[in-house]
Amino acid sequence: KAGVTQTPRYLIKTRGQQVTLSCSPISGHRSVSWYQQTPGQGLQFLFEYFSETQRNKGNFPGRFSGRQFSNSRSEMNVSTLELGDSALYLCASSLAKGTGRNIQYFGAGTRLSVL
Amino acid sequence: AQKVTQAQTEISVVEKEDVTLDCVYETRDTTYYLFWYKQPPSGELVFLIRRNSFDEQNEISGRYSWNFQKSTSSFNFTITASQVVDSAVYFCALSEETSGSRLTFGEGTQLTVNP
Repeated sequence: KAGVTQTPRYLIKTRGQQVTLSCSPISGHRSVSWYQQTPGQGLQFLFEYFSETQRNKGNFPGRFSGRQFSNSRSEMNVSTLELGDSALYLCASSLAKGTGRNIQYFGAGTRLSVL
Repeated sequence: AQKVTQAQTEISVVEKEDVTLDCVYETRDTTYYLFWYKQPPSGELVFLIRRNSFDEQNEISGRYSWNFQKSTSSFNFTITASQVVDSAVYFCALSEETSGSRLTFGEGTQLTVNP
């Protein structure tokens, strides 16, 4: 069974641009969550999607948004990029929605550099 | 609010030594889940174990063992006879029943096993 797939693996953007990251969950998994990892703030929860609906959201500005498609694949968008958005963005999938009993399985991440 | 603390930023050992990674958590929920993940240089977070708040039984899996103590709010992880391949960043994480699948991570412990 294939794991969580994130594309692209690396991105370089400049300030003010926007970026879209993609995540394909493990087959059969319906919940997708996104996390940001930076040296200063560590791993922080961005949001969770289940059945094409955002179920949970972290403390990030509105520039960060996402969506989920009917096949459970998810995209994350960051508009008006800032230097501080440089990070490793990790996607995780789990079988069902929102409780801690569901184990989240992570992809290898997309490393975004904002110049 | 939930919080996870991993006080050990870096640990360096020689191969075959035993090493314990500490994790202390804070939560107001009575139902919660604790996790350990491993992050090798490739970036992917690899799931190691999940423990729920009602199960304080310690667990051993090969060279890995986990000690969960609610009385001290700790969930420590021990690697016996460490190997170079164990070198990675290890994260402890907490999920509360009331906060959906959101994971709160500790700061991580960088483990280096030297030959």
